[in-house]
Amino acid sequence: AQSVTQLGSHVSVSEGALVLLRCNYSSSVPPYLFWYVQYPNQGLQLLLKYTSAATLVKGINGFEAEFKKSETSFHLTKPSAHMSDAAEYFCAVTEIQGAQKLVFGQGTRLTINP
Amino acid sequence: EAGVVQSPRYKIIEKKQPVAFWCNPISGHNTLYWYRQNLGQGPELLIRYENEEAVDDSQLPKDRFSAERLKGVDSTLKIQPAELGDSAVYLCASSLGTGSYNEQFFGPGTRLTVL
Repeated sequence: AQSVTQLGSHVSVSEGALVLLRCNYSSSVPPYLFWYVQYPNQGLQLLLKYTSAATLVKGINGFEAEFKKSETSFHLTKPSAHMSDAAEYFCAVTEIQGAQKLVFGQGTRLTINP
Repeated sequence: EAGVVQSPRYKIIEKKQPVAFWCNPISGHNTLYWYRQNLGQGPELLIRYENEEAVDDSQLPKDRFSAERLKGVDSTLKIQPAELGDSAVYLCASSLGTGSYNEQFFGPGTRLTVL
């Protein structure tokens, strides 16, 4: 069975600082991996996805993530945090060969300090 | 292009009452999903439709939950009767196809409070 673990339910960084949100996955087959962002009272929006091409994936709003098979990780980073990045972030996994049944992590709430 | 539309946005009911949520997916998207998101958790899939057929409802509590997608477009999720533990945000999503590479587009959700 697939699963996702997001380390840290709450991360706080200063504006302009590096953002690092951690995600580790468990999958018996090669996965597709996703990061979604959820702003208050809104639905989820796709930030980026890994689909077995390049291991370093660039997404919207300056975010990127690197797929590391040896570490079963897919951490999300942004070099310089902006106040507008404050939101809930979800990592998700699905099987490449199957229909898209996303399994989400529990989420990480990102707070940006001025 | 309009996104996924859900209504109502908020619903407060007393336990044992029925409730229904409506979803209109993005035009042309044949795959529709209903998720439940409990407070402080990630979404969990309840049911997935391909056109009008429910192809994965393994996580749907069938004793009280039901869903339909008539004509393969709009969908309704119903709970009858509601329990306190059903308080959550119910998200609808749609995608162009069923392959794992197809992006799911999410609606804003319906926040249900059961008193």
